Amino acid sequence: DGGITQSPKYLFRKEGQNVTLSCEQNLNHDAMYWYRQDPGQGLRLIYYSQIVNDFQKGDIAEGYSVSREKKESFPLTVTSAQKNPTAFYLCASSMGQRVGYTFGSGTRLTVV
Amino acid sequence: GQQVMQIPQYQHVQEGEDFTTYCNSSTTLSNIQWYKQRPGGHPVFLIQLVKSGEVKKQKRLTFQFGEAKKNSSLHITATQTTDVGTYFCANTNAGKSTFGDGTTLTVKP
Repeated sequence: DGGITQSPKYLFRKEGQNVTLSCEQNLNHDAMYWYRQDPGQGLRLIYYSQIVNDFQKGDIAEGYSVSREKKESFPLTVTSAQKNPTAFYLCASSMGQRVGYTFGSGTRLTVV
Repeated sequence: GQQVMQIPQYQHVQEGEDFTTYCNSSTTLSNIQWYKQRPGGHPVFLIQLVKSGEVKKQKRLTFQFGEAKKNSSLHITATQTTDVGTYFCANTNAGKSTFGDGTTLTVKP
């Protein structure tokens, strides 16, 4: 079955450490996205990529980095520069601009 | 995407009652998408509206896009406990989607 896989589901890290969240899709979608969700709040866009080897900053890109070396993969690195990294991170993909997103099951990151 | 505002933030209903959430924008929108996120889950795409005055139905769910394309609504008839969750509207523009803050629905059996 096609879908988006995010791993791990739960992740704990010490403050000051970088951490990379995995996102893999086998839907053959061109576009991929990273959103952050804080408790009781909506989704805020971190980074997005329309094609391989290209990506753009979203609304809250500071303290994050991404790469898009393969169509299937769009990993997100949460760096030590991110002041409040504890959150629920959601990866999504879409075939184009006129269709809805398919989301992964998310990664809950806790930084202590 | 264009900024969209959702109301109410929370809605508590008795099972069997109807529920409506509204999505509003100060600017004209080219499209609106609706998503549902179950507690502890991830958003799931429900539908997209693109035409002025468009109305679409999915079983007990009715989606509307305003004539001026500045607002949208999701109406659930006779809620069930399976309807609990947070409903988000979103607008896609320039290759990215902007989400509203969502309406969280709780249903009392």
